[in-house]
Amino acid sequence: ETGVTQTPRHLVMGMTNKKSLKCEQHLGHNAMYWYKQSAKKPLELMFVYNFKEQTENNSVPSRFSPECPNSSHLFLHLHTLQPEDSALYLCASSLLRTGGWDGYTFGSGTRLTVV
Amino acid sequence: AQSVAQPEDQVNVAEGNPLTVKCTYSVSGNPYLFWYVQYPNRGLQFLLKYITGDNLVKGSYGFEAEFNKSQTSFHLKKPSALVSDSALYFCAVRDSPEAGNMLTFGGGTRLMVKP
Repeated sequence: ETGVTQTPRHLVMGMTNKKSLKCEQHLGHNAMYWYKQSAKKPLELMFVYNFKEQTENNSVPSRFSPECPNSSHLFLHLHTLQPEDSALYLCASSLLRTGGWDGYTFGSGTRLTVV
Repeated sequence: AQSVAQPEDQVNVAEGNPLTVKCTYSVSGNPYLFWYVQYPNRGLQFLLKYITGDNLVKGSYGFEAEFNKSQTSFHLKKPSALVSDSALYFCAVRDSPEAGNMLTFGGGTRLMVKP
């Protein structure tokens, strides 16, 4: 375990369903991220939260709705998804501090299949 | 804007031989450079980073990378490949701190080590 936990690990949902992905970190990090990883495509940054505030929304469709209630938890709420949204969704966290930055710690991802 | 290129989709190497996975980058300031590895259905794991100091950086599992400012490269190397090194490798860059706390990833290179 890396210290970043994502649940569920696998999710199959219909296009009319509503579901949520959860990410939790207890590393004391203060920034959290959602990435989408599709087959044969680069990692796509979706959302960034710094100190619980959303600072980046990378033109993500509104059927994806993030929520960051505190620095340790991040959710991705899903509704009326399309089959092309099937992908591995990765959560990451990092620590912003004076004098340095050590990059991301990733969770293991949620494999989402939209049917 | 920062960018990363991994020119090879796949690298094949025989077990015991040296391996190199290439990465070039483009930034406006002084780069923070990272390598991550991804095993099937898992998140990305940190291998090593360059921020400042010695151009040769040593990381996990016997990997190392050399920062070359004139060639804007940060190639990943290992003297003797193992079959267990077979995975997907990502190079990533962060521009100067003023650019924020986000990484830009290359497209990934699949490393195949054959017995």
